[in-house]
Amino acid sequence: EAQVTQNPRYLITVTGKKLTVTCSQNMNHEYMSWYRQDPGLGLRQIYYSMNVEVTDKGDVPEGYKVSRKEKRNFPLILESPSPNQTSLYFCASSFRQGAGLGTEAFFGQGTRLTVV
Amino acid sequence: AQSVTQLDSHVSVSEGTPVLLRCNYSSSYSPSLFWYVQHPNKGLQLLLKYTSAATLVKGINGFEAEFKKSETSFHLTKPSAHMSDAAEYFCVVSLMDTGRRALTFGSGTRLQVQP
Repeated sequence: EAQVTQNPRYLITVTGKKLTVTCSQNMNHEYMSWYRQDPGLGLRQIYYSMNVEVTDKGDVPEGYKVSRKEKRNFPLILESPSPNQTSLYFCASSFRQGAGLGTEAFFGQGTRLTVV
Repeated sequence: AQSVTQLDSHVSVSEGTPVLLRCNYSSSYSPSLFWYVQHPNKGLQLLLKYTSAATLVKGINGFEAEFKKSETSFHLTKPSAHMSDAAEYFCVVSLMDTGRRALTFGSGTRLQVQP
């Protein structure tokens, strides 16, 4: 089954304790990205990757890191989480970006992160 | 720059009545447009997409949307609401703007379906 898998689904952590949220897709997509969803703010892009070893900042990258060593995986790293990073996080992938066929994104189930 | 405006943050309908969720976009170029649905505690599921083919797009679960370039709109409709349609709906535009942002999301419309 074609899917984007995120882990964990739920995570409670303390301020300053490094954590990683994993994301994996099995559709051979080139483009992957991370979003956070906050009430009243919709979904905002954190980082994106156009291909292996190619990553760039989205709209709200502060406090996050990513890596893309393999095509299928795109982990999100919080080196020193803070309470303002409490949010619902989504990983997404697509064949390509831009307009036209193949640009629709497939989303993971989400990771609800609470930083206390 | 591209942007998306969902004109209603909340819409409430009775079961069996039509649904209309409104979306306007702003784009300098021909965009791709999508509607996604998010059920409580679930991820985002693609309902339908417009990618410069037919302007009337049919999606899953009986939803449709019509791309109207003159009005820069992409409203989502369904003839008869079902209780299971209660969810949050996002209108999304996709455009290559310097290769940076792939998707721009509207702020969402929460659909309530009354029995």
